[in-house]
Amino acid sequence: EPEVTQTPSHQVTQMGQEVILRCVPISNHLYFYWYRQILGQKVEFLVSFYNNEISEKSEIFDDQFSVERPDGSNFTLKIRSTKLEDSAMYFCASSLGVTAGGSVATQYFGPGTRLLVL
Amino acid sequence: AQKVTQAQTEISVVEKEDVTLDCVYETRDTTYYLFWYKQPPSGELVFLIRRNSFDEQNEISGRYSWNFQKSTSSFNFTITASQVVDSAVYFCALSEAGSGNTGKLIFGQGTTLQVKP
Repeated sequence: EPEVTQTPSHQVTQMGQEVILRCVPISNHLYFYWYRQILGQKVEFLVSFYNNEISEKSEIFDDQFSVERPDGSNFTLKIRSTKLEDSAMYFCASSLGVTAGGSVATQYFGPGTRLLVL
Repeated sequence: AQKVTQAQTEISVVEKEDVTLDCVYETRDTTYYLFWYKQPPSGELVFLIRRNSFDEQNEISGRYSWNFQKSTSSFNFTITASQVVDSAVYFCALSEAGSGNTGKLIFGQGTTLQVKP
């Protein structure tokens, strides 16, 4: 069964460093998402990506964040200058998307990358 | 504004008991989707169910059942004859489907279910 994969599973970095989190969505999916979950809290939407551009982003997704689909399979989240408060689990998700008729497909999540900023 | 509320932070039951997890949502859209995800101790998010706003039929899948009531904006989840393996955090989520929506999920705070042997 197809699944979303994420690498690395864990990342430890120093404050101010850049990190890139990688995701391989399910191959026939069209919409890609990043979410984060601070320890013990709810899952929060960061950004959605469709047709090679950001379709929506949250207030959390400020200028230090960027996303990219560098090739036909990978989807990356870059944090340019990490802060202590960026420590969280980051989930990638993909889906067949949203149709003009108003149908929202199920999002399938990767196993997450646990980021620790020291 | 869209919002999902899971008022129960933690629930503890003994194995074989039935347990209901509550979910109340707010949205201005007439077309929307509701989801439940399970997050076991290993941390991944596992999809359980997707329901659209036009389908108020209750659904049963094995020991799991869902009760959707638009009149009270609720989408509750019941586990019958709970098992230790059901111990996890359960998230309810909402996605609006109106024009311009991107399918983003708005999650509730989650309910931690502990099933004791």
